[in-house]
Amino acid sequence: GAVVSQHPSWVICKSGTSVKIECRSLDFQATTMFWYRQFPKQSLMLMATSNEGSKATYEQGVEKDKFLINHASLTLSTLTVTSAHPEDSSFYICSARGFRAGVGGANVLTFGAGSRLTVL
Amino acid sequence: EDKVVQSPLSLVVHEGDTVTLNCSYEVTNFRSLLWYKQEKKAPTFLFMLTSSGIEKKSGRLSSILDKKELFSILNITATQTGDSAVYLCAVERGTDKLIFGTGTRLQVFP
Repeated sequence: GAVVSQHPSWVICKSGTSVKIECRSLDFQATTMFWYRQFPKQSLMLMATSNEGSKATYEQGVEKDKFLINHASLTLSTLTVTSAHPEDSSFYICSARGFRAGVGGANVLTFGAGSRLTVL
Repeated sequence: EDKVVQSPLSLVVHEGDTVTLNCSYEVTNFRSLLWYKQEKKAPTFLFMLTSSGIEKKSGRLSSILDKKELFSILNITATQTGDSAVYLCAVERGTDKLIFGTGTRLQVFP
């Protein structure tokens, strides 16, 4: 099936540093990628939607200068948490939508395994 | 405002029991409703429902959608401890995003 690789799985950093999370579609071209955030025992909250080659669309309440999203190619999107603080500690998940060759052009939506960020 | 509401929030049952999880929604430009199972990491896909009244089945799991009443149910029969997870319902709006419910936490005890 369609595979999305998310890296790193777990990151611990000091307050004030920036952290980059990568989301790659391994066997399909992801025209759209979604970034979610999940606090413990809560559901996934959409942070932003990014289309390849254009600026990301952020959900209300999400600071675009703090959560920088880049979707420079059809297989890679990155989320950078700038000047991270303890309240940014969370589980970040990406999902990718695109067309997978060999499956009749099926429009797939696949989640990455998630990245757990802990800011000390 | 678009919203997806799941009930119950939490459920504790014994192995062998049958459970029904509920998902109601109010979403503009509805495209599909999806069910996911989330254990420790990212959600894993269970079902996608687009048409009313057509039951989808996968082993002990089944789901159905009612587009008139704007809800869906997920049934799990003969539950096992491995079914313990958070079950998420999400509604796809147009082609731009999924709106997730709060999830139902299911715990199955032997």
